[in-house]
Order: sequence, then C-alpha cells, then structure tokens
Amino acid sequence: AQKITQTQPGMFVQEKEAVTLDCTYDTSDQSYGLFWYKQPSSGEMIFLIYQGSYDEQNATEGRYSLNFQKARKSANLVISASQLGDSAMYFCAMREGRVQGAQKLVFGQGTRLTINP
Amino acid sequence: EPEVTQTPSHQVTQMGQEVILRCVPISNHLYFYWYRQILGQKVEFLVSFYNNEISEKSEIFDDQFSVERPDGSNFTLKIRSTKLEDSAMYFCASKVALSSYEQYFGPGTRLTVT
Repeated sequence: AQKITQTQPGMFVQEKEAVTLDCTYDTSDQSYGLFWYKQPSSGEMIFLIYQGSYDEQNATEGRYSLNFQKARKSANLVISASQLGDSAMYFCAMREGRVQGAQKLVFGQGTRLTINP
Repeated sequence: EPEVTQTPSHQVTQMGQEVILRCVPISNHLYFYWYRQILGQKVEFLVSFYNNEISEKSEIFDDQFSVERPDGSNFTLKIRSTKLEDSAMYFCASKVALSSYEQYFGPGTRLTVT
C-alpha cells in the first residue's frame, strides 16, 4: 500500500498566486514526521518544511506552510505569493516511529509545479 | 553552512563494471543514508548506516550493493556489477543523532550504465 500519495502529477499556477500541493499519508504509528522537499531541474533535493505528528501548530517557513490535518492524514504544502523560481518538482515524504534512530524517509511520487509569468 | 558533498556528479560505466559512489557527510552527523531516484520516478530508500554498520536496507539493496565508511569522513556506495536498471540519481544524506529529524541531502551522483 502507498504510504505517501501525491495525486497531482502537475500543477500550473500564475505568478504571485498561492498554490496548494496535496499530500496524504498512511501510517499506524503515533509518532511520525512529514517533510516537503523541492527538486529543481538541477536535481538536488532541497528541504523546505517539517511537521511532527505531535506538533500542535502548523509548520511555517517563510512563504511555505504545511496544512496538517491529522484526522484526514493529510499534509498539504501551501506556497504563498508564488515566484518563477518555485517551478520545480515537489516531494512529500514521511518518517515513521520515534525521531531517534536511523529512520528512512518514504517519498511520494511528486508534483511538478510550473509557475507562469 | 556545512553541506553533504558527493563525487562524481556524473558517472558513466559499462554494464558489469564496478562503481563506487562517494559521499562526505556533514562532519558531526552520525546517521548516513543512500537513496536513489530513477529518472522521472520517486526517491527510494536504499540503506541506512550507523555506528559502522547497516541499520536498515531495502529490498533494492541486494548483494550487488555494499556501503562502507572507510575513514572518518567518507561514506561510499559500491555496486559490484552494474546493470542497466541501476541507472539513476543516487543521493547521499546524513542526520545528526537523537533529536534531529532532518536528513541533509547531497547534490546527487547521476549514474548512467550503458
């Protein structure tokens, strides 16, 4: 079964608009964490934002915020005031279990975001 | 700011050849990882490494793969006899122990097997 599901293979947004990238997850653990990474065309993986399952507030990092809805098992990324440089592939990922230990990340299929001028 | 580095950035090899991909994790990190990404697909976990031994490996990480930390700084992934389907981007990542959650990724090595 898919652990991380990103249902939008591609998104096209006008510059300066806000955009929401969807991510749903599946886990039976009480302790887990959710990540968003950006992968530009150059290929590197850039960490954007993290949400722990016990965090009461939604995570925010500058223009990025994570809309965490635990009951619905969703962790959508919201990018406000999109810029041309936001065009990239975006991956949602999850770590399971306690934060201690060598935990692997499980990634979704990704969403390709294109910002139009 | 400290970063994970990987060499080479691109490696071309013939099927059946051995390749070694090199990574220098961030110096005070204790957990190390290899992931791969076949072109156009999602990133997949290969192996995690802590205290000089493998912590976990995926089903992809078969007997053709091995990892090593030969000295205090390098972390290597060896593929003994490459296959065409090993062509992918290989990412190294590292993490500080205990309360850290973030894995810092290197820029990747693109492996092309011909």
